[in-house]
Amino acid sequence: DAGVIQSPRHEVTEMGQEVTLRCKPISGHDYLFWYRQTMMRGLELLIYFNNNVPIDDSGMPEDRFSAKMPNASFSTLKIQPSEPRDSAVYFCASSPAGPNYGYTFGSGTRLTVV
Amino acid sequence: KQEVTQIPAALSVPEGENLVLNCSFTDSAIYNLQWFRQDPGKGLTSLLLIQSSQREQTSGRLNASLDKSSGRSTLYIAASQPGDSATYLCAVHNYGQNFVFGPGTRLSVLP
Repeated sequence: DAGVIQSPRHEVTEMGQEVTLRCKPISGHDYLFWYRQTMMRGLELLIYFNNNVPIDDSGMPEDRFSAKMPNASFSTLKIQPSEPRDSAVYFCASSPAGPNYGYTFGSGTRLTVV
Repeated sequence: KQEVTQIPAALSVPEGENLVLNCSFTDSAIYNLQWFRQDPGKGLTSLLLIQSSQREQTSGRLNASLDKSSGRSTLYIAASQPGDSATYLCAVHNYGQNFVFGPGTRLSVLP
């Protein structure tokens, strides 16, 4: 298995632009999580899906952030419009059955908004 | 609300030493606890997952223990190597919630 695949690895964009981050979970994993990591706040859960359905989006910082999972093999996290304070590393993780079985993380997308 | 802390924040040891990393959590009603390793600029790699019914898990030179009553877990690394240099994070899972991550311990093993 190729693991959790995220793209792009790095993204540099100008303030106000739309940014889309992509994630392909491990096949057969029913749970998908989006995390954001910064030096100041550490790892924060943004949203998670179970069987493609968003279950908890309470961590999404504001309406500029949205996430979708149109099918079991693909998810996107979109920021529109982006702001410099959105600069962080965004991780996607998947799990076969939620936290009971642990998580597998992708390599992350490093986002820089200038 | 679960809070997870890790001590020390950073640790530097000479190669070959045995070392212990600490993780503390405020809510002891956990379901499981997972230790991760993160290399600079990389994602998180799962090291060990301990269920609430377990006291410890071992993988090679790594041993993780769990004491729910005291709200603590330790990660023991035997015979440390420079390749062990990374940030180690613990994550705690409470019933009905998702993992809450600690801030991590940055480990440097000097050759």
